[in-house]
Amino acid sequence: SQTIHQWPATLVQPVGSPLSLECTVEGTSNPNLYWYRQAAGRGLQLLFYSVGIGQISSEVPQNLSASRPQDRQFILSSKKLLLSDSGFYLCAWGRYNQPQHFGDGTRLSIL
Amino acid sequence: AQTVTQSQPEMSVQEAETVTLSCTYDTSENNYYLFWYKQPPSRQMILVIRQEAYKQQNATENRFSVNFQKAAKSFSLKISDSQLGDTAMYFCASMDAGGTSYGKLTFGQGTILTVHP
Repeated sequence: SQTIHQWPATLVQPVGSPLSLECTVEGTSNPNLYWYRQAAGRGLQLLFYSVGIGQISSEVPQNLSASRPQDRQFILSSKKLLLSDSGFYLCAWGRYNQPQHFGDGTRLSIL
Repeated sequence: AQTVTQSQPEMSVQEAETVTLSCTYDTSENNYYLFWYKQPPSRQMILVIRQEAYKQQNATENRFSVNFQKAAKSFSLKISDSQLGDTAMYFCASMDAGGTSYGKLTFGQGTILTVHP
């Protein structure tokens, strides 16, 4: 069966520090991968998606970037975090015309 | 572009009763998919039910069923025999069919459902 792992679960970072969140999928190959951000009590906003190694599409302009160095690995990064980057980040995998499956999320707090 | 609207920020229901959560959507595509996801306090996103737009029959999954009104672009979720474990935020989401959508989901803002004992 397919599983998705996302870490860390919780992260507290100072303003201006770098960020790296990692997501890996097991049990499937060539998945579509997605990063979402969820503000407190709000819906999910799609940040990036990837349909293959090295292929990244950004949905909204922001301080973050994403990379897909391997087929089942998706990384969310920032060189310098802003206060506005705080939130709950979710990674998901899916296929065309199929529901997405989500990781457990990372709660990011910027101080 | 797709939009999904959930007009009920919060709902509550007594245990064992039935509750209906509303969702409307807008898309220019003829073929698409609709989903309801549940996010309990643990914040995991759990798929509840899925509907394919070209299927007229409403989807059901145990105590969960949908009322899909394609012409009205309405997709409500009915939870029967509500249980305490149903307490969660519920998200309605849509996905255009076909490769050009890249499997992207558009989410509504969510409805917080509280089930009272």
